[in-house]
Amino acid sequence: SQTIHQWPATLVQPVGSPLSLECTVEGTSNPNLYWYRQAAGRGLQLLFYSVGIGQISSEVPQNLSASRPQDRQFILSSKKLLLSDSGFYLCAWSVAGGGEQFFGPGTRLTVL
Amino acid sequence: GQQLNQSPQSMFIQEGEDVSMNCTSSSIFNTWLWYKQDPGEGPVLLIALYKAGELTSNGRLTAQFGITRKDSFLNISASIPSDVGIYFCAGRARGGTSYGKLTFGQGTILTVHP
Repeated sequence: SQTIHQWPATLVQPVGSPLSLECTVEGTSNPNLYWYRQAAGRGLQLLFYSVGIGQISSEVPQNLSASRPQDRQFILSSKKLLLSDSGFYLCAWSVAGGGEQFFGPGTRLTVL
Repeated sequence: GQQLNQSPQSMFIQEGEDVSMNCTSSSIFNTWLWYKQDPGEGPVLLIALYKAGELTSNGRLTAQFGITRKDSFLNISASIPSDVGIYFCAGRARGGTSYGKLTFGQGTILTVHP
């Protein structure tokens, strides 16, 4: 069966510090991968998606970037965090072209 | 772009009551999904619908794919305290791009009083 992991689970960072959140998927090959941000427990905003290694598409302009160095690894990064980057970050996967997305447990990021 | 209107935004019900929530879209969808999110966790897929008119059940949950392809509803029968959470609908547009982008509703916050 497939599983998706995210770490860390929680993170408190000062403004201006760098960020690296990691997502890995097990039990599947060549998945589509997604990063979402959820503010205040409502509404999922798609940030990035990837259909393959090194292939990243950005949905909204922002202070964040994403990378996919391996087939089942997806990383969300920032060089300098802003207060507005606080939120709940969710990684998800689907089969290539599939509609059903399966979410990881999320990372709670607080920028102070 | 596509928009999903999910209603109600919140519900406060007594244990044992039935619950109904729905989503409407400005565009035609070929897939409807319903998720539940517990506090501090990622959303969990409850039901997936792929055909107009399809009615699918998962335990006490029943969801339907509207005939017009622009709406879907989720019913929960005989609610229990563990039904508490945020319920999201999500749709994939007909003729969508290969990466399977989903459009999400804003969620329905369900509170169940024992």
